[in-house]
Amino acid sequence: GAGVSQTPSNKVTEKGKYVELRCDPISGHTALYWYRQSLGQGPEFLIYFQGTGAADDSGLPNDRFFAVRPEGSVSTLKIQRTERGDSAVYLCASSPGQHSPLHFGNGTRLTVT
Amino acid sequence: KQEVTQIPAALSVPEGENLVLNCSFTDSAIYNLQWFRQDPGKGLTSLLLIQSSQREQTSGRLNASLDKSSGRSTLYIAASQPGDSATYLCASGGGTYKYIFGTGTRLKVLA
Repeated sequence: GAGVSQTPSNKVTEKGKYVELRCDPISGHTALYWYRQSLGQGPEFLIYFQGTGAADDSGLPNDRFFAVRPEGSVSTLKIQRTERGDSAVYLCASSPGQHSPLHFGNGTRLTVT
Repeated sequence: KQEVTQIPAALSVPEGENLVLNCSFTDSAIYNLQWFRQDPGKGLTSLLLIQSSQREQTSGRLNASLDKSSGRSTLYIAASQPGDSATYLCASGGGTYKYIFGTGTRLKVLA
């Protein structure tokens, strides 16, 4: 079956612009996670959804970052007033339950120039 | 605050060798621990998940162990192959089900 899909795969934007990154989880997976990964580092937790609600958003670095999952399926990570330090690979993962393996997408590589 | 450390950061071994990758975590109040593989430019693939009540899990040539009391997990790879070359990451799952990752071990298996 289809895995976790992230679009776009690459995004180049200018400093100060607004971007949206999309994640389509595996059908039926109630848990959805956003992480970001810099070169040579492990993924850094951003936010976790259980259904439609954000169960833990403690990893969002500041109020420029926001994520939604309005129907409990597709999620969008939104970044306002992008900064060069936001450049990273943004990874999305989904899981059928809280004690189940995470399934990751291939990520969106964001470059802020 | 949970911190996850992986040692070594990089490892190069000849084909056929058995090897052990180490993962340590500071907060033993975890629900589970997962091991992942990441190939360059790709997302992560889950290899093994160990629940907090378990001591080990096996899948093919891979065996992962968990010792909560000492805050350690190991991933054992038997009879390594060049196709095993990748970065291996561990992640601890805590009370809010957010997973904290280590920085990974970059493994290269030489033919």
